[in-house]
Amino acid sequence: EIVMTQSPDTLSVSPGERATLSCRASQSVRSNLAWYQHKPGQAPRLLIYGASTRATGIPARFSGSGSGTEFTLTISSLQSEDFAVYYCQHYNNWPPLIFGGGTKVEIK
Amino acid sequence: EVQLVQSGAEVKKPGESLNISCKGSGYNFLTSWIAWVRQMPGKGLEWMGSIYPADSDTRYSPSFQGQVTISADKSISTAYLQWSSLKASDTAMYYCARGVYMDVWGKGTTVTVSS
Repeated sequence: EIVMTQSPDTLSVSPGERATLSCRASQSVRSNLAWYQHKPGQAPRLLIYGASTRATGIPARFSGSGSGTEFTLTISSLQSEDFAVYYCQHYNNWPPLIFGGGTKVEIK
Repeated sequence: EVQLVQSGAEVKKPGESLNISCKGSGYNFLTSWIAWVRQMPGKGLEWMGSIYPADSDTRYSPSFQGQVTISADKSISTAYLQWSSLKASDTAMYYCARGVYMDVWGKGTTVTVSS
């Protein structure tokens, strides 16, 4: 079973700064990788699929890159509404579908 | 508007059965996978399993195989997550979501299991 490892566990960032989140797969998932944002009391929201395609309505400050085993989610200039937990998830040759453990982006 | 509407919060006792639901609207319910995702208190997201309503193809996480049953009623565009005998450790928020990358999510159903 593929293991998805996210780093760091917590990222402290000031508003307006850039945030870079990492996701590593234990074996290649090609570009079959999604990113989600999850805020307390809300349902998760799809940000990125296909490793780099923004979902409908997602602002351009969110970008995804990578393929194979190494992936990055970049938030170019953090807004107050971006403080949340972010998860990666692979969907290559499933089942199973596997989420990473999450990265919490908090206000510095 | 594409949406998934989940049933309301549940409070149950250990050993009881439970069936929670997820009704899709605004799209062709038959031709998109519906996933169930668990979030235990203070923890991350875990995929439990998915169903393809058109043919009821159902796939489970090894962690949840045999612990829950996923089903769907095509006639009313509704997917279900069922437990035959709840445990305290089933206390969690349960989300349904559309697709293998999950582009539409229900608001979640809180399940509390306590004696």
